[in-house]
Amino acid sequence: SYVLTQPPSVSVAPGQTARITCGGNNIGSKSVHWYQQKPGQAPVLVVYDDSDRPSGIPERFSGSNSGNTATLTISRVEAGDEADYYCQVWDSSEGVFGGGTKLTVL
Amino acid sequence: EVQLVESGGGLVQPGRSLRLSCAASGFTFDDYAMHWVRQAPGKGLEWVSGISWNSGSIGYADSVKGRFTISRDNAKNSLYLQMNSLRAEDTALYYCAKGQTYDYGGNSFDYWGQGTLVTVSS
Repeated sequence: SYVLTQPPSVSVAPGQTARITCGGNNIGSKSVHWYQQKPGQAPVLVVYDDSDRPSGIPERFSGSNSGNTATLTISRVEAGDEADYYCQVWDSSEGVFGGGTKLTVL
Repeated sequence: EVQLVESGGGLVQPGRSLRLSCAASGFTFDDYAMHWVRQAPGKGLEWVSGISWNSGSIGYADSVKGRFTISRDNAKNSLYLQMNSLRAEDTALYYCAKGQTYDYGGNSFDYWGQGTLVTVSS
């Protein structure tokens, strides 16, 4: 089965840029979706199809995907961005999530 | 406003069955695929099952294949998950999620419910 690998944690100071990676075999050939989950809340879609943003998601959230790594970039990080982030793809008609990355805002 | 409200969770003994429901509103239900995604306590997200707009395409995670059955009733704007032969490892918060398009595969989950908790324990 297809495996997505995310770093368990990423820390960043307010105002800086956070980059959360999602590794998978030739992931660049797949569409990657990203979700934000705050404690006690349901996940929220923040980036879909590698780099598109749903309405209502700030432009500070962006995504890229190439080769074996997809990246979620959060610019000008705010305290409210502290959350778990999950990448997700489809492989052989099955949904696959990465293990999640906890973003800590210092 | 899109709303997804799950129900049917609870405490169940191993080997028993449970049926989850998801009531949808705020969008044209029969235009979109629907999914179940679960999250074990303190763990990450796991896709469980998905169903296309007309029930013509259905998929399951290997971990639930043969035990769980997804279905939908477009007349009632409702999604269901029949869970049989439940195991302790099925303990999780089960989310109902809307697919971005009519087909269940390839697309994102653009709206989520708040989840219903299933606990499998003797």
